Amino acid sequence: KAGVTQTPRYLIKTRGQQVTLSCSPISGHRSVSWYQQTPGQGLQFLFEYFSETQRNKGNFPGRFSGRQFSNSRSEMNVSTLELGDSALYLCASSWTPTNEKLFFGSGTQLSVL
Amino acid sequence: KQEVTQIPAALSVPEGENLVLNCSFTDSAIYNLQWFRQDPGKGLTSLLLIQSSQREQTSGRLNASLDKSSGRSTLYIAASQPGDSATYLCAVMGYAGGTSYGKLTFGQGTILTVHP
Repeated sequence: KAGVTQTPRYLIKTRGQQVTLSCSPISGHRSVSWYQQTPGQGLQFLFEYFSETQRNKGNFPGRFSGRQFSNSRSEMNVSTLELGDSALYLCASSWTPTNEKLFFGSGTQLSVL
Repeated sequence: KQEVTQIPAALSVPEGENLVLNCSFTDSAIYNLQWFRQDPGKGLTSLLLIQSSQREQTSGRLNASLDKSSGRSTLYIAASQPGDSATYLCAVMGYAGGTSYGKLTFGQGTILTVHP
């Protein structure tokens, strides 16, 4: 059974650009959540989608957005990139949003220059 | 606001030692607590999941306990090996009016080094 797949693995962007990251969950999983990991702040929750609906959102500016498709695949978008957006972005999937193990992908390492 | 603290921040032990990693959280209203392992530059691997109604979970050389009332969890690693070297993260999934969906609150992690 394939795990959570995130693409691309690495990205280099410049300030002001926008970026789209992709996440394919484990087959059958309907909940997808996104996290940002930085050395200073650790792992922080961005948002969660279940059956194409955003059910929860963390404390991030509106530049961070996402969506989920009918096949449960998810994308997150960051517009007007800032240097502080440099981070490892991790996607996780599970059967349901609450009481299940979360399975994480390997992440997308975003560097903003 | 849920806060998760892990102690110690780093730990270096010789191979074969038994060790304990600690995690504490401020709000006992949780669905579950999970322990993860992260290797450098990689994603997270789930080690153990303890539901709020459970007291402990075991997997191989790993044992995790949960005391919800005191807001504490411990991860016990028996007979440590160099391959156990990684960052160990504790995370809780709380509930507060339905705003917890998919949201894990993580500690800062314990960096474990097991030397031969």
